[in-house]
Amino acid sequence: DIQMTQSPSSLSASVGDRVTITCRASQSISSYLNWYQQKPGKAPKVLIYGASSLQSGVPSRFSGSGSGTDFTLTITSLQPEDFATYYCQQSYSSPRAFGQGTKVEIK
Amino acid sequence: EVQVVESGGGLVQPGGSLRLSCAASGFSFSSYWMSWVRQAPGKGLEWVASVKQDGSEKYYVDSVKGRFTISRDNAKNSLYLQMNSLRAEDTAVYYCASPKYYDSRGYYFDYWGQGTLVTVSS
Repeated sequence: DIQMTQSPSSLSASVGDRVTITCRASQSISSYLNWYQQKPGKAPKVLIYGASSLQSGVPSRFSGSGSGTDFTLTITSLQPEDFATYYCQQSYSSPRAFGQGTKVEIK
Repeated sequence: EVQVVESGGGLVQPGGSLRLSCAASGFSFSSYWMSWVRQAPGKGLEWVASVKQDGSEKYYVDSVKGRFTISRDNAKNSLYLQMNSLRAEDTAVYYCASPKYYDSRGYYFDYWGQGTLVTVSS
């Protein structure tokens, strides 16, 4: 099974900061990597699919990059509504595992 | 408007059974694979099971194989998860989610329900 590892597990940032979250796969997954945002008590929401494709309706301050085993989610200017937990997920092979999550907190 | 509504969660003793249901509307349910994804309290997301549009293919995470059964009724736009031999580690919020394929292999979970809480405890 493919394991997904995110770093960091949590981070503190201020409004307007640039934030970068990393996801590493235990083997190559090509570009089959999705990013989700989850707020407390809510279902996750997809932000990025296929490593770099922005889901319709998602602000352009979110971007994804990478291929193979190393991937990055970047938020260029953190907004108050962006404080949440972020998960990566591979869709290359079953089981389609998620990373353990990165909690973005207010500094 | 897309709606996905789970039901059937609750408190059950270890070794017991529970059947979760998911009612979908606002999209072509019979055209989508459907899945269950769970989240233990304070923990991350875990894919549990998926079923093909016509029910002919089903996949499970290893930890639930032989205990859980995913099924669907396209006439009722409904998805189910029969959970038997429940364990404390099955305690979680269970989400019904629809995978949207963007190519022959890759997909992301597009529509999600609000989740239903399953608590396994004596």
